[in-house]
Amino acid sequence: QKEVEQNSGPLSVPEGAIASLNCTYSDRGSQSFFWYRQYSGKSPELIMSIYSNGDKEDGRFTAQLNKASQYVSLLIRDSQPSDSATYLCAVEFMDSNYQLIWGAGTKLIIKP
Amino acid sequence: DARVTQTPRHKVTEMGQEVTMRCQPILGHNTVFWYRQTMMQGLELLAYFRNRAPLDDSGMPKDRFSAEMPDATLATLKIQPSEPRDSAVYFCASGLAVMNTEAFFGQGTRLTVV
Repeated sequence: QKEVEQNSGPLSVPEGAIASLNCTYSDRGSQSFFWYRQYSGKSPELIMSIYSNGDKEDGRFTAQLNKASQYVSLLIRDSQPSDSATYLCAVEFMDSNYQLIWGAGTKLIIKP
Repeated sequence: DARVTQTPRHKVTEMGQEVTMRCQPILGHNTVFWYRQTMMQGLELLAYFRNRAPLDDSGMPKDRFSAEMPDATLATLKIQPSEPRDSAVYFCASGLAVMNTEAFFGQGTRLTVV
């Protein structure tokens, strides 16, 4: 059973600080990794994708992937109240079938 | 602007009734996904299509759910007969490939079966 684990939170971070969100996955064959943001009552929207070990930066967001340790993280610098949302980690792989496994999400609260 | 469009946005129906949800993927996207989201189960992949062909629907209860793509601009998800446990938000998402897919989600259909 392939699993993706996230701390459900809520994770409370002061405005302007760095928010760090973590995700672990069970299958070493996992190939692609995604972070989605979901505001309450809205649909998920893609924040970052990462496919190889290391860091990938996009504006205030940095995704970090460590395949050896089977974790992927998302850092949000200079956190803003508008970053308050649930962050979903999704892990993609293909063996006999395509599978995209989603974590349950971490609720992030940025306090002004 | 390019976006995935889902209809209806909300649906309340009685147990046993047929429910049809529709999705218009982003023009040019060749991969369509159907998801269900509940508080208890989170996001679950129900089915996906590539170039209108169903590649996998193993996430769907086959006895009551069916998914089709009659053409490149329309995907449908049907539930017949509906049950209270089907109450959830159903999302359609589209992308340009099956692997390494950066999927774009529609606004969802909130289904309530009473």
